[in-house]
Amino acid sequence: AQSVTQLDSQVPVFEEAPVELRCNYSSSVSVYLFWYVQYPNQGLQLLLKYLSGSTLVESINGFEAEFNKSQTSFHLRKPSVHISDTAEYFCAVSETGTASKLTFGTGTRLQVTL
Amino acid sequence: GAGVSQSPSNKVTEKGKDVELRCDPISGHTALYWYRQSLGQGLEFLIYFQGNSAPDKSGLPSDRFSAERTGGSVSTLTIQRTQQEDSAVYLCASSWDSPGTQYFGPGTRLTVL
Repeated sequence: AQSVTQLDSQVPVFEEAPVELRCNYSSSVSVYLFWYVQYPNQGLQLLLKYLSGSTLVESINGFEAEFNKSQTSFHLRKPSVHISDTAEYFCAVSETGTASKLTFGTGTRLQVTL
Repeated sequence: GAGVSQSPSNKVTEKGKDVELRCDPISGHTALYWYRQSLGQGLEFLIYFQGNSAPDKSGLPSDRFSAERTGGSVSTLTIQRTQQEDSAVYLCASSWDSPGTQYFGPGTRLTVL
């Protein structure tokens, strides 16, 4: 079984400041790692994922996450946030191999203000 | 192309009634998942279908919940004798066989009065 911990339920940040959203996981098997984003009144969208290879993965809108196996972490970072990044961010894991269910963290609400 | 669609978008029902929620996955996706999102429990896995294999029902919270997937495409989640704690947003997702990037639908908001 897997579990995901997102310690920060809310992260307030000013526009153009850097941000880090923390994610730690626990699993007895190899996992894939994901960050999903949910904008206000919208559905879940995949932001980025780690499947294999380079431990640093990037999204098209400037977010990046690094898989750290020794620390079982997959923290999400952005060097300069925008108002439009205000959303709920969910870290998730699934077992490697064929399609498998996602186990989600409790989410972190990123609130960007001027 | 078309994404995952769900209907209805909103459903209000009385305690004790049965409800059916529908999911149309992305064409060609072999795997289909149901999750629910509620304030108290966050995002929880309910059930998933993978091709012709027996579904993984390990997340269903009680025997009042059931789901089927007809013809490897459309899925229906049925909740019998609804309770107030069933109030949540029910999300459907689909993916290709592997590795599992899941695409989510907009959800059905269920309110049990």
